[in-house]
Amino acid sequence: GAGVSQSPSNKVTEKGKDVELRCDPISGHTALYWYRQSLGQGLEFLIYFQGNSAPDKSGLPSDRFSAERTGGSVSTLTIQRTQQEDSAVYLCASSGTSGGVGDTQYFGPGTRLTVL
Amino acid sequence: AQKITQTQPGMFVQEKEAVTLDCTYDTSDPSYGLFWYKQPSSGEMIFLIYQGSYDQQNATEGRYSLNFQKARKSANLVISASQLGDSAMYFCAMREDGGFKTIFGAGTRLFVKA
Repeated sequence: GAGVSQSPSNKVTEKGKDVELRCDPISGHTALYWYRQSLGQGLEFLIYFQGNSAPDKSGLPSDRFSAERTGGSVSTLTIQRTQQEDSAVYLCASSGTSGGVGDTQYFGPGTRLTVL
Repeated sequence: AQKITQTQPGMFVQEKEAVTLDCTYDTSDPSYGLFWYKQPSSGEMIFLIYQGSYDQQNATEGRYSLNFQKARKSANLVISASQLGDSAMYFCAMREDGGFKTIFGAGTRLFVKA
């Protein structure tokens, strides 16, 4: 497809388990973003990748969260030792330019994570 | 520091009428971009419209227009001829030039009544 894809669409896990969330950006897009959206809330920035540059991890809430982007394309967000407060929708977005002010982000459908 | 404020948690509009969703922002950067996104109940964020801080005219995209008042730091979204399918959450967002981070407002939930 032409859009951003994310998998799984839903993930239920037990507290303390690790989870991996995947994002496949729009082909050719150099920038990739991860956000977290808690129920009824706005978007919380987590991490940003631009090309081959080192990612900006300033939004990651704790060291349990990490992300990587392989080959400048697919990204994986990993949450270790999940906690109930990690329950949220995790949204991925990509954009195609070098990061200018008009750089429009296109979002995937999100992964709904539920930690029991 | 950049900030986005959406003061309307919920709005109701009658089908076929126009509605304005408010957004104010704060930034010290003279160059910035403003975005509106729609999030229906399916959860996907859909890009609607973009306004650059140096754009002379208000942005328009079909039934969507952005009422950009730079001096007042407001970027209200106007939806004309509302449709039932417009019922959704709407988020205002801003990005400063030279930065990558886009910040989002808390959102406004729009309900379109038949």
